[in-house]
Amino acid sequence: TQLLEQSPQFLSIQEGENLTVYCNSSSVFSSLQWYRQEPGEGPVLLVTVVTGGEVKKLKRLTFQFGDARKDSSLHITAAQPGDTGLYLCAGDDSSYKLIFGSGTRLLVRP
Amino acid sequence: DAGVIQSPRHEVTEMGQEVTLRCKPISGHNSLFWYRQTMMRGLELLIYFNNNVPIDDSGMPEDRFSAKMPNASFSTLKIQPSEPRDSAVYFCASSSGFNEQFFGPGTRLTVL
Repeated sequence: TQLLEQSPQFLSIQEGENLTVYCNSSSVFSSLQWYRQEPGEGPVLLVTVVTGGEVKKLKRLTFQFGDARKDSSLHITAAQPGDTGLYLCAGDDSSYKLIFGSGTRLLVRP
Repeated sequence: DAGVIQSPRHEVTEMGQEVTLRCKPISGHNSLFWYRQTMMRGLELLIYFNNNVPIDDSGMPEDRFSAKMPNASFSTLKIQPSEPRDSAVYFCASSSGFNEQFFGPGTRLTVL
């Protein structure tokens, strides 16, 4: 069974701080996606990384796919209250199915 | 496009009652997914349809759960009879086959 473990599970930080969220697996994925879910809404795709070692930037968010395509990280610089939400990584196992991680719940305090 | 539409947004029912959740996927998408999300278990895939045909229902918890997709623009997830442990947020998502899934706003189900 493919599993994606995310850490930390919960993170509460002050506005302006930096943070990193990790997504790890023992399985290789053809690509990995990061979603953000706000309260009362469904997850929304932020980015897809495909190539081992790939780095993608989305404003203050930096996403990296591990060289072996088993892990990924999300780094947020100068976090803002609008970044608050549940961050989910999801691995594509080359079938129709996405394997979702357990999620990291982020709270950015003003 | 309005995105994936789900109804109702909230449902409160009593144990033993039948519950029907509805989903309208994004027009042109040929894949539809039903998920359940709880604090304990996270986001779980219940069933996947491709071109209106159920492909994988291995995530459906038990026979009390059933799902249908009579046409490309409508799907239902039914729980009969409902139990308190079914309380969760149920999401419908659709995809055009390139693995980016577009999620609806979810239905928050509470079974008393």
